[in-house]
Amino acid sequence: ETGVTQTPRHLVMGMTNKKSLKCEQHLGHNAMYWYKQSAKKPLELMFVYSLEERVENNSVPSRFSPECPNSSHLFLHLHTLQPEDSALYLCASSQDQAGSLNSPLHFGNGTRLTVT
Amino acid sequence: GENVEQHPSTLSVQEGDSAVIKCTYSDSASNYFPWYKQELGKRPQLIIDIRSNVGEKKDQRIAVTLNKTAKHFSLHITETQPEDSAVYFCAASTGGFKTIFGAGTRLFVKA
Repeated sequence: ETGVTQTPRHLVMGMTNKKSLKCEQHLGHNAMYWYKQSAKKPLELMFVYSLEERVENNSVPSRFSPECPNSSHLFLHLHTLQPEDSALYLCASSQDQAGSLNSPLHFGNGTRLTVT
Repeated sequence: GENVEQHPSTLSVQEGDSAVIKCTYSDSASNYFPWYKQELGKRPQLIIDIRSNVGEKKDQRIAVTLNKTAKHFSLHITETQPEDSAVYFCAASTGGFKTIFGAGTRLFVKA
């Protein structure tokens, strides 16, 4: 049913581990996003890719490294994370920029990340 | 940059009553205001959106109003049902790819 698929659904990693989150969209959209969702806080935009080019980078620590090999796939590479990085990481896609006719964000189910 | 404030953080209503969630934004250039619903353990999903050239929009039991002068916009849910229980997020965008979200309102509808 979902147009945006994220794997894994849950991830537990130590502070010295390296892991990657994967996102795939089947909607033919041009833009893909990474958002961080922490309890009782607004969704925080991390990165945006449009047609495989990074167009937004919201002062995210370098321990988070995005990769967009094509318009359907988006990765978030993680290394030497901190416990405060534990959160739900949501991938989203949109046809075009916000405010245009096809602009709504379509979210995946997220990856629940726990850093121990 | 844009800042979106959302109130209340928690709202409890009786089934059949109305629910109102209010948001304010800081950037007068914002021109697109979507609302997302996130049920427990699920993804946020768009339920309604409004653009700055419109003052009100309605879709069945859901309506959104926009006051550009005051930089306020609100979500109204009438005849609430238990399945309306979820977290609702307002958001604002000036165009481009950056959408700024409010902190969310957890709505409980008591049967």
